[in-house]
Amino acid sequence: QLQLQESGPGLVKPSETLSLTCTVSGGSISSDSYYWAWLRQPPGKGLEYIGSIYYTGTAYYNPSLKSRVTIYVDTSRDQFSLTLRSVTAADTSVYYCARRDLRDSSFDYWGQGTLVTVSS
Amino acid sequence: EIVLTQSPGTLSLSPGERATLSCRASESLSSSYLVWYQQKPGQAPRLLIYGASTRAAGIPNRFSGSGSGTDFTLTISRLEPEDLAVYYCQQYTSSPLFGGGTKVEIK
Repeated sequence: QLQLQESGPGLVKPSETLSLTCTVSGGSISSDSYYWAWLRQPPGKGLEYIGSIYYTGTAYYNPSLKSRVTIYVDTSRDQFSLTLRSVTAADTSVYYCARRDLRDSSFDYWGQGTLVTVSS
Repeated sequence: EIVLTQSPGTLSLSPGERATLSCRASESLSSSYLVWYQQKPGQAPRLLIYGASTRAAGIPNRFSGSGSGTDFTLTISRLEPEDLAVYYCQQYTSSPLFGGGTKVEIK
């Protein structure tokens, strides 16, 4: 059974960089059929797509976040990571990693999510 | 970008009743890229329906999706207490985008 697990700091200071890693187990990240994605959800609000990466390293980003986001992949460790620069309180969210199916763009496996708070 | 509007915002029904959730797109979109998720309190979203009408693995057959063009519907034929959740639709054109969600409450 595929599992995804987010890890990283739960508290980041304003103007600094948020960094999270997602570890994939029970399957390989080096699959032709899937992207690996980051999404987020502010407390009490809806879901927002951040971006995706293919195992080759090709990444796609939400245009609204593109200037501040980088996603990269480490196939040797079956991990992919998110960096979000110049964070503000508006970036406080539960961050999820997920697998995105190339065929229909659905997110079919999700991590449990990790709350990241931006505060001094 | 194509915006998704979900209605109603909240649906309060009794067990055994039928729930009808709407997802309306600002422009016509391909049914292949309309997806529904269920998010129970404190949990990650769970894939319910993809391609507008295909149930994901392990999803009970009381959940069904339909629609095309700009109007899509998620139907729960007979509500059960564990269906208490927020339901989101999602589209993909240039970048995945979610609707605002419908909260289903059980009376």
